[in-house]
This record gives sequence, C-alpha cells and structure tokens, in this order.
Amino acid sequence: KQEVTQIPAALSVPEGENLVLNCSFTDSAIYNLQWFRQDPGKGLTSLLLIQSSQREQTSGRLNASLDKSSGRSTLYIAASQPGDSATYLCAVLLSGTYKYIFGTGTRLKVLA
Amino acid sequence: KAGVTQTPRYLIKTRGQQVTLSCSPISGHRSVSWYQQTPGQGLQFLFEYFSETQRNKGNFPGRFSGRQFSNSRSEMNVSTLELGDSALYLCASSPGSGSNSPLHFGNGTRLTVT
Repeated sequence: KQEVTQIPAALSVPEGENLVLNCSFTDSAIYNLQWFRQDPGKGLTSLLLIQSSQREQTSGRLNASLDKSSGRSTLYIAASQPGDSATYLCAVLLSGTYKYIFGTGTRLKVLA
Repeated sequence: KAGVTQTPRYLIKTRGQQVTLSCSPISGHRSVSWYQQTPGQGLQFLFEYFSETQRNKGNFPGRFSGRQFSNSRSEMNVSTLELGDSALYLCASSPGSGSNSPLHFGNGTRLTVT
C-alpha cells in the first residue's frame, strides 16, 4: 500500500531564506509526482509535475526533484516571500491508475 | 479560461439526509476526480471519471457515488449522511487522455453534518 509522508509538518522561516520541503513515498511504481499549494479554505494549485522518467522540474523560484529509486522528492523554494505562506502537498499517481495518493502536507509560514 | 467550479460552496445537513455536490471542469477537460479532505485523514481519493465512465474508485462505502455527464460535468452523491462525512469535498479536472497532466482543483464544497 502506497504511503506518502511529508516532513516537516510545519515550518516557519524569515523572509528571504531558501528552504527545502521533503516528500517520501513507499512504492516506486508511480507514474508522476505533483507538488501543490493550498491556501486556507481554498482548493489546491498545482505547482510542478514531475514525470517518472524525469529527475527535476523548475518554475520560477521553485525547483522539484524526484528520486524514484529512493522514494523521495524535494521542493526547493528560493528567496522565500510572505506570499509563499501556505500548505504544500505532494501527491503521487499510482502506475496503471488515475488515483493520486496525497501526503499530509507541510504548513509553511514566511515571516516578513 | 474559467477554472473548475464547484457548487454549492457550503452545505449544512443533518444525519440521515442525502446530498448532491456539483463540479464543472475546465472547458475541454474530460477527466474529473473527487477527493475528500479532513483534518484527520488528509486528502483521500473518492473516484475518477472520464467520458462518463468511472475508471477508478477509492475505499469509501457505497453511500458515496458519482456520475459524469456528456458535457463532462460531474456530480457526487452521499446518502444516509453520517457525522464523519463532514469534510471539504474537492473536485479536480484534467485533459484526461494521458496521465501526465496537472490536476486543476476547484475551491471545494464544505459539508457539515449535524
């Protein structure tokens, strides 16, 4: 059974810091991995999608890496800003299905 | 392009009642999936539809059902509501033919069962 874990559960950093969020999964048979952010009371916004054959994806200040063999992904946020404050979730798409398994999320607070 | 629209935004129901939630995907998207989000369990997959066919179902009791219409709009129904069904129900859409498209989520329907 696929399990997705995110560490840390919560993180508070001063503005301008670079930071890394971690996501680990137990079964490497995944089709892709997505990182999302969720603002309070809102839905999820997709940030980056990494296909199983890729090692990383970049968008602006965000960089996500994927190591399938070790069951890990990281989301790197450069020069954090207060507007980055949100909950960040990773999700893996199980191979042969259309079912995403979500991690428990990291609640990020960037202090001005 | 309009985003994923979920209606209603908030619902209050009593135990034993039934409820229907609606989701309109992004124009052109043919896959619609539903998730339940609770503080204790996080986000859990309910089901996924593509071209009116359910392709995957999560581990929820038969009280949870869904359907998709020919215009890709989707509804989910929960019958005989229980207190534990209180949650944020999220709908997501994607183009759907392949599996490497980002999911686009709506803002959800907040269901409270009293």
